[in-house]
Amino acid sequence: GAVVSQHPSWVICKSGTSVKIECRSLDFQATTMFWYRQFPKQSLMLMATSNEGSKATYEQGVEKDKFLINHASLTLSTLTVTSAHPEDSSFYICSARDVGLSYEQYFGPGTRLTVT
Amino acid sequence: EDQVTQSPEALRLQEGESSSLNCSYTVSGLRGLFWYRQDPGKGPEFLFTLYSAGEEKEKERLKATLTKKESFLHITAPKPEDSATYLCAVRTLGGYNKLIFGAGTRLAVHP
Repeated sequence: GAVVSQHPSWVICKSGTSVKIECRSLDFQATTMFWYRQFPKQSLMLMATSNEGSKATYEQGVEKDKFLINHASLTLSTLTVTSAHPEDSSFYICSARDVGLSYEQYFGPGTRLTVT
Repeated sequence: EDQVTQSPEALRLQEGESSSLNCSYTVSGLRGLFWYRQDPGKGPEFLFTLYSAGEEKEKERLKATLTKKESFLHITAPKPEDSATYLCAVRTLGGYNKLIFGAGTRLAVHP
């Protein structure tokens, strides 16, 4: 149980284009999903928290117009990196919290984004 | 400011050599401490949640303990497949459902 998937697992795009990453909870409903960014050999940096049916809450320093987050259903959240630049290249990981009483976050496998 | 510090940064063990990883925290109010394992190029895998001082949880060769200031992840007789980065995270009072992560401990177990 508690499986989270991400698609795509890796993507290469050209500078100036937009990329959409999907995060799905496969066997549970997630009222809250989180998006993280991770640089090599560093820990996870929370980018934003998304709640189903409402606007995402972004962490300080994260550009909400650049990283568009949509949480349209209890099993799907998307992150769109708009007008991507090479500095946006990173490992993006989503997590989801079950609607139940536990507070564990279950993570997806991550998406490796490379902007050329 | 809420803070999570993990030590050591990296640890090299021989197969069968037991050891402990440390996670110390300074938070306004702890509402859960979480341990995750992360393999290279993959997302973190949930291991344990601890909520109160004195609590312990075990899973195979791993045992997590919690005090009022820190948590330990004890690894008994590790195997090479236990090699990974182990992440500690806390959920805090007022932090809603956000987790604050430590930098992790990179564990390498050699045969």
